[in-house]
Amino acid sequence: NAGVMQNPRHLVRRRGQEARLRCSPMKGHSHVYWYRQLPEEGLKFMVYLQKENIIDESGMPKERFSAEFPKEGPSILRIQQVVRGDSAAYFCASSLRGGQGTDTQYFGPGTRLTVL
Amino acid sequence: DAKTTQPPSMDCAEGRAANLPCNHSTISGNEYVYWYRQIHSQGPQYIIHGLKNNETNEMASLIITEDRKSSTLILPHATLRDTAVYYCIGHSGNTGKLIFGQGTTLQVKP
Repeated sequence: NAGVMQNPRHLVRRRGQEARLRCSPMKGHSHVYWYRQLPEEGLKFMVYLQKENIIDESGMPKERFSAEFPKEGPSILRIQQVVRGDSAAYFCASSLRGGQGTDTQYFGPGTRLTVL
Repeated sequence: DAKTTQPPSMDCAEGRAANLPCNHSTISGNEYVYWYRQIHSQGPQYIIHGLKNNETNEMASLIITEDRKSSTLILPHATLRDTAVYYCIGHSGNTGKLIFGQGTTLQVKP
């Protein structure tokens, strides 16, 4: 039973380019969460999605960042016109039910974004 | 979700039990106590969670005080591979987000 998969594992972009990060949840999971970990800092929630819906995007920067979780295919976190401050590890998690305290989130290995 | 407080760092001898404390005095009745760990820069790994009763699985045991204001994660026989940052999180599911604090850096020493 495969866990949460993220690709690419490492991504290098130049300032001004776009970054697309992909997350495939665990089999049967329909809830996806994105977190960001800046260098030497803790993990911060960004966005929570269910299939075709954004449930909570309170942690997303207002500009340049967007996320989607289509009916088919992986969830995508998109960063437009990247800047050096976007360099971080981006982790995706998935869960089975959502909205319940006993619904465990399982994390992927992360994508390490480096902006030159 | 409740704010949690953990010591910033702890050491443990290899083969001994590691007891990691967490205070969550403002935890509400429907919030579970979750423990995750992050080894080096890998993705957080789920360890265990509980509401009121003590819990045990293949990785660890979780002891929650009767008033639910604190808990202890126990790794019964720590190995060098258990060196990691351990996070205690109160989570109700009302919001999807997990709120990670600074955690406890556990160093297991030979």
